[in-house]
Amino acid sequence: EIVMTQSPATLSVSPGERATLSCRASQSISSNLAWYQQKPGQAPRLLIYGASTRATGIPARFSGSGSGTDFTLTISSLQSEDFAVYYCQQSNNWPPLTFGGGSKVEIK
Amino acid sequence: QVQLVESGGGVVQPGGSLRLSCAASGFTFSSYGMHWVRQAPGKGLEWVAFIQSDGTNKYYADSVKGRFTISRDNSKNTLYLQMNSLRGEDTAVYYCAKPYSTSPRPHFDSWGQGTLVTVSS
Repeated sequence: EIVMTQSPATLSVSPGERATLSCRASQSISSNLAWYQQKPGQAPRLLIYGASTRATGIPARFSGSGSGTDFTLTISSLQSEDFAVYYCQQSNNWPPLTFGGGSKVEIK
Repeated sequence: QVQLVESGGGVVQPGGSLRLSCAASGFTFSSYGMHWVRQAPGKGLEWVAFIQSDGTNKYYADSVKGRFTISRDNSKNTLYLQMNSLRGEDTAVYYCAKPYSTSPRPHFDSWGQGTLVTVSS
């Protein structure tokens, strides 16, 4: 099973600042990585797939990078609606599909 | 527009059973493999099960293997999850999730609203 490790667990950021979240896979997953955003009481929302491709309707301030084992989600200028929990998910080697433990972006 | 609507959640005693349903619309259901993903209260996301578009192949997380059964009825555009021998650690919101494409590397562009399963005496 591929283990996905996200860091930091919590990131405190002021609106307008940049946020950088990390996701590491326990073995190479090529570019088969997705990022999701989840707000309280809501289902996850797909942000990025293929490590760097924005999903439909996702603003350009969200960007993904990386390949192999190390990946990054960057939010260039945080808006109020971006404060949420973010999850990465690998699909290179499954079953099982595996998710990271999540990173919470909170208002500083 | 894709719509996934789960139902069937509730409170059940340990050792009990429950069947979840997910009614799908807005896409060609019979063309997509479908998944169940769950989230325990205050915790992260956990993939639970997958069923191929025609129902021939099914995969499960180790944590539910032998207790849960995924199935589908393409004539009714509905996905199911039969959950038996339920345990406290099965308490979670259960989501059905549609992959973005028919790729063998799935990620999910559509999710239901979730249905809460609580296992408690």
